[in-house]
Amino acid sequence: QLHLQESGPGLVKPSETLSLTCAVSGDSISSLSFYWAWIRQPPGKGLEWIGSIYYSGSSFYNPSLKSRLSMSVDTSKNQFSLRLTSVTAADTAVYYCTRHLSSVLAGNYFDYWGQGTLVSVSS
Amino acid sequence: DIQMTQSPSSLSASVGDRVSITCQASQDISNYLNWYQQKPGKAPKLLIYRASILQTGVPSRFSGSGSGTHFTFTISSLQPEDIATYYCQHYDNLVQYIFGQGTKLEIK
Repeated sequence: QLHLQESGPGLVKPSETLSLTCAVSGDSISSLSFYWAWIRQPPGKGLEWIGSIYYSGSSFYNPSLKSRLSMSVDTSKNQFSLRLTSVTAADTAVYYCTRHLSSVLAGNYFDYWGQGTLVSVSS
Repeated sequence: DIQMTQSPSSLSASVGDRVSITCQASQDISNYLNWYQQKPGKAPKLLIYRASILQTGVPSRFSGSGSGTHFTFTISSLQPEDIATYYCQHYDNLVQYIFGQGTKLEIK
């Protein structure tokens, strides 16, 4: 059974960098059919896709975050990471890591999710 | 950019009721539409992909239909454990993954 677990600081100061890691167990992050994604949810609000990355390092980001965002993958540790720079209070959210299927036949969807981690941006 | 309009924003129904939620796209998106369930304090769960295909393990009382610009998510007989917020989600060839605003479903 695939399991994803987010980790990282729960509190980040404004203008600093938010860094999160997602540890994947139960399957290889190098699986050919899947990307790995981050999705966030501000308290009481809806879901926002942040970005997705392939095991090779190929990635694509939400245009609204692209200038502040970078994602990376570490196949030796079976994990992937998120860095979001110059954070503000608007970046306060529960951050989820997910498996992202991208297939011509099945389409694109997020089928396995971590439990989520709350990151608050505050001084 | 494609806009997704989900309605209603909230819904109250009785156990056993048939419940429907709609998602309207601002332009033709074929059947590139997924549905998720999010229970309070939990991560979302994929229920339906490509508008009508039930994810493995999802109860058959859940269904999806539609193509083009109009999509419907239906629970044929509402159960107490179905209390959740439901989201539609679209993706397009500009590599955009967009979620609807969500529909909060409550028991009457």
